[in-house]
Amino acid sequence: QVQLEESGGGVVQPGRSLRLSCTASGFTFSSYAMHWVRQAPGKGLERVALISYDGSNKFYADAVKGRFTVSRDNSKNTLSLQMNSLRAEDTAVYYCARRLRGDYHFDYWGQGTLVTVSS
Amino acid sequence: QTVVTQEPSFSVSPGGTVTLTCGLSSGSVSSSYYPSWYQQTPGQSPRTLIYNTNTRSSGVPDRFSGSILGNKAALTITGAQADDESNYYCVLYMGTGIWMFGGGTKLTVL
Repeated sequence: QVQLEESGGGVVQPGRSLRLSCTASGFTFSSYAMHWVRQAPGKGLERVALISYDGSNKFYADAVKGRFTVSRDNSKNTLSLQMNSLRAEDTAVYYCARRLRGDYHFDYWGQGTLVTVSS
Repeated sequence: QTVVTQEPSFSVSPGGTVTLTCGLSSGSVSSSYYPSWYQQTPGQSPRTLIYNTNTRSSGVPDRFSGSILGNKAALTITGAQADDESNYYCVLYMGTGIWMFGGGTKLTVL
């Protein structure tokens, strides 16, 4: 069955870096664009980054542009989010979500990984 | 900057009908925004309910329906049940690489 499993979350000091991963299984990873979406404690969902099915196009929310980098390895069915210069406001649960190429909705979400930025 | 708007909260009686809406701070929502709806209960990841305005995702009960009402996208729950008590988020496709989330509606069933 379809699985998206995030990992790499934890507690990190402001200004430091963290790398999140999303491991996919049960479907053809290379047929899907992948999104990172986050949710601060008690808040709503917020888009973070998007990478096209083949990795050729990447888009970022203004709040993370220049600090976060999204990448994927289709040979390993893995999505990554490199987060640099972390701020307290980046504290959130980070979800990866898939979107079939040509579709306009997210059809499956991972369980999320918590990132806490605190000194 | 355009914001996707949703009612912060709503309540419905068991068995009742409720319509949640999704609008834009500037402009009207149409099917060209491919509105989608997601349900999230606390501590869980979102679940896809509706996409492309009115298409139910696999396994979603038919008491959930989507539409365009006036200048907004709408999610209607007919015959609300206790386990429909959740947060509901709409998402709009704004153009190249940009999907915007509404702030969410907390639905209470009581």
